Amino acid sequence: NAGVMQNPRHLVRRRGQEARLRCSPMKGHSHVYWYRQLPEEGLKFMVYLQKENIIDESGMPKERFSAEFPKEGPSILRIQQVVRGDSAAYFCASSPLTGTANTGELFFGEGSRLTVL
Amino acid sequence: AQSVTQLGSHVSVSEGALVLLRCNYSSSVPPYLFWYVQYPNQGLQLLLKYTSAATLVKGINGFEAEFKKSETSFHLTKPSAHMSDAAEYFCAVSELSNTGKLIFGQGTTLQVKP
Repeated sequence: NAGVMQNPRHLVRRRGQEARLRCSPMKGHSHVYWYRQLPEEGLKFMVYLQKENIIDESGMPKERFSAEFPKEGPSILRIQQVVRGDSAAYFCASSPLTGTANTGELFFGEGSRLTVL
Repeated sequence: AQSVTQLGSHVSVSEGALVLLRCNYSSSVPPYLFWYVQYPNQGLQLLLKYTSAATLVKGINGFEAEFKKSETSFHLTKPSAHMSDAAEYFCAVSELSNTGKLIFGQGTTLQVKP
């Protein structure tokens, strides 16, 4: 499967625990975007990363949330000390490149659904 | 800043009827516009995109959309709804000149009645 792979698909955590969500972009894609979808809402941009760099984190909550995209391995979205309001679907998308040659399409994974008890 | 507004969070049509999902955008630069579809518990799948070529764009599953600059609109249509079209539809605009991220509308849930 050459698509964007996210795991776990479903994750249950108790308040105060940590959640780690992983995303492997499509082969050949070096740009990763994380989005959050709250119940009955659209997708909200969280962060945009390239390998080893955070390019735009304007949508990330100031506390408890962090993201990385190491040189080797998947991108990880980490949520520390989860609260019930963090319950949502978290989607990862990838893109081959930015700039004038890119038509802007993002390729999405199937999401990780976090439930905080 | 770019933004997208989808008019109507829920749309219900009968099978075989016309589907019209509305999207208006705001952008200070020529926009790239997209429609994505999301089936329950799945990710987003691209339906079609406008990238400054033909203003009438044809996508998958019989959907099409027309870019109207004067109305800042990019409405999605399909002549005849199928039961399998029931899903959530998202309109998005690209910050292509900046980070490449997509800004999404709130989404429209399409219900198709038999």
